[in-house]
Amino acid sequence: DAGVIQSPRHEVTEMGQEVTLRCKPISGHNSLFWYRQTMMRGLELLIYFNNNVPIDDSGMPEDRFSAKMPNASFSTLKIQPSEPRDSAVYFCASRTDSTGELFFGEGSRLTVL
Amino acid sequence: EDQVTQSPEALRLQEGESSSLNCSYTVSGLRGLFWYRQDPGKGPEFLFTLYSAGEEKEKERLKATLTKKESFLHITAPKPEDSATYLCAPPVVAAGNKLTFGGGTRVLVKP
Repeated sequence: DAGVIQSPRHEVTEMGQEVTLRCKPISGHNSLFWYRQTMMRGLELLIYFNNNVPIDDSGMPEDRFSAKMPNASFSTLKIQPSEPRDSAVYFCASRTDSTGELFFGEGSRLTVL
Repeated sequence: EDQVTQSPEALRLQEGESSSLNCSYTVSGLRGLFWYRQDPGKGPEFLFTLYSAGEEKEKERLKATLTKKESFLHITAPKPEDSATYLCAPPVVAAGNKLTFGGGTRVLVKP
């Protein structure tokens, strides 16, 4: 099993640029989560999907952030325009159903200069 | 508001020195709790799910216990390879069982 696959693993960009992070969940999992982790705020839930439908996006910090899940095997998190305070590690995770444990990807480390 | 608090924030242990980590929470409609381990540069890795008060689960030197308001992760005779950040997360039933994580406890076990 390949696990949750995220890309890119590292991204360095300049303030104002658009950033797109990608995630491929584990096959057969029907829920997908996006988290952001920083030293100051820990692991924060941004948004999660169930059967490709966004269920809770209350953690999305502002309109600069958007997430999509066009099909069961792919999701994107987009930041436009990016700001230095968006620098963090972004994790994608998936699970089989509403009671199962989450399986995390290796994360995408974003640095906005 | 749902809150998850982990203590202590950091723990330095000598190899073989047993200790406990705490996870306390105020979550409406609690139905269990998850424990995860996170190594530097990696995503969190699942350890345990506890479903009801009084339940205990063990894995090697780790034992997790659950009450109605808190959970403990006991580390017995730790080894340096147990050094990691340990995270807990109670599923929020009212919000589709989304997982809100505590701040974590960073454990360092010195040989």
